[in-house]
Amino acid sequence: GAGVSQSPRYKVTKRGQDVALRCDPISGHVSLYWYRQALGQGPEFLTYFNYEAQQDKSGLPNDRFSAERPEGSISTLTIQRTEQRDSAMYRCSTAAGTDTQYFGPGTRLTVL
Amino acid sequence: AQSVTQPDIHITVSEGASLELRCNYSYGATPYLFWYVQSPGQGLQLLLKYFSGDTLVQGIKGFEAEFKRSQSSFNLRKPSVHWSDAAEYFCAVAPGSGGGADGLTFGKGTHLIIQP
Repeated sequence: GAGVSQSPRYKVTKRGQDVALRCDPISGHVSLYWYRQALGQGPEFLTYFNYEAQQDKSGLPNDRFSAERPEGSISTLTIQRTEQRDSAMYRCSTAAGTDTQYFGPGTRLTVL
Repeated sequence: AQSVTQPDIHITVSEGASLELRCNYSYGATPYLFWYVQSPGQGLQLLLKYFSGDTLVQGIKGFEAEFKRSQSSFNLRKPSVHWSDAAEYFCAVAPGSGGGADGLTFGKGTHLIIQP
């Protein structure tokens, strides 16, 4: 596609439920990143893939958060047993290599 | 670990006036530096970036930024703002050794308000 797409754009869930957030990269972009942005803050790095390999997951806050990119294209960020503190904008970005990251519109997650 | 400081949470500028948004970073070596803009309901859009070379970089929408190593700063400027520039602006850094492939560290952002 022309840009990075993310789905759903908005997700409301109840505490304790699992959620899966999807990122579709720009065609041919080998690097894919996940960030979390709390209200009034800048994005915070979560994890990063090069092709299908997860290169760095140091930013994942705890073991309820996981991400995969099995075929080196679409990626899914999964949050298990969601908590209210997980409410945030989740952003995905992709890059052609060691260069500029292009961001998607984000998924706004609200945990009730 | 690197960090980014944007000291101004909000800035109000009259339309047509000049603009400077401040960004200071903390990092041992010369990082890769970026400015992104976020409009309501939109993703982050890259305005400009500095990797090496000329310390004054030009970006889209008439923006420019200057890298000053001695001050660890990368301030964003525009000579004359338009009402459409109202948005949230983020400064970000990446370790230079990674060639931009590492995750970015963002500042908290500066909210720009344009007065008619």
